[in-house]
Amino acid sequence: EVQLVQSGAEVKKPGESLKISCKSSGYSFAAYWIGWVRQMPGKGLEWMGIIYPRDSQTTYSPSFQGQVTFSADKSISTAYLQWSSLKASDTAMYYCARREMATDAFDIWGQGTMVIVSS
Amino acid sequence: DIQMTQSPSSLSASVGDRVDITCRPSQRISSYLSWYQQRPGKAPKLLIYAASTLYTGVPSRFSGSGSGTNFTLTITSLQPEDFATYYCQQSHSTPGTFGQGTKVEIK
Repeated sequence: EVQLVQSGAEVKKPGESLKISCKSSGYSFAAYWIGWVRQMPGKGLEWMGIIYPRDSQTTYSPSFQGQVTFSADKSISTAYLQWSSLKASDTAMYYCARREMATDAFDIWGQGTMVIVSS
Repeated sequence: DIQMTQSPSSLSASVGDRVDITCRPSQRISSYLSWYQQRPGKAPKLLIYAASTLYTGVPSRFSGSGSGTNFTLTITSLQPEDFATYYCQQSHSTPGTFGQGTKVEIK
């Protein structure tokens, strides 16, 4: 079964760092782009960016450029989203999703990781 | 960035009704348009890609149409499990922007 399994919920303080994960199974991890999508509480979906695990090429939305970092470890089929200094406004649900090859739609989604940043 | 405008933002409908949701990108995107369903507390699910292609396992009461700057998601004969929020997304260029969502509620 093709699936993405994300790491569990996190509660952090402003200024702390964080790295959340997205582990794939059931397909060739390196061959598909992985995207990250933010959903703030009660709000819609925001496209943060994508990473190609084969060579770690990344494309960030201008809204998120410099605010987060994507990475991937092919040896364990896992993608990561990290922050160096969290803000309260980073409080949100974060989804990873596989980008389908031909049409670039997100066809497989992780279950989401809730990040709460509060002092 | 391409802006995606969905309408309506919300609607109330009854089981068995037909529902149409429109999505208008701020520039032409050919057929690089997908539709997603998100139930409360759940991750989004892909319904339609390439504007009109039904994703594997999605019921045939869902259909998509359009190209360029005008797209429609149609649900014929609304079922109880269809009450959810629906999003369009363009993949013509990065960032792959989403519409603001359309919440389909029970009348």
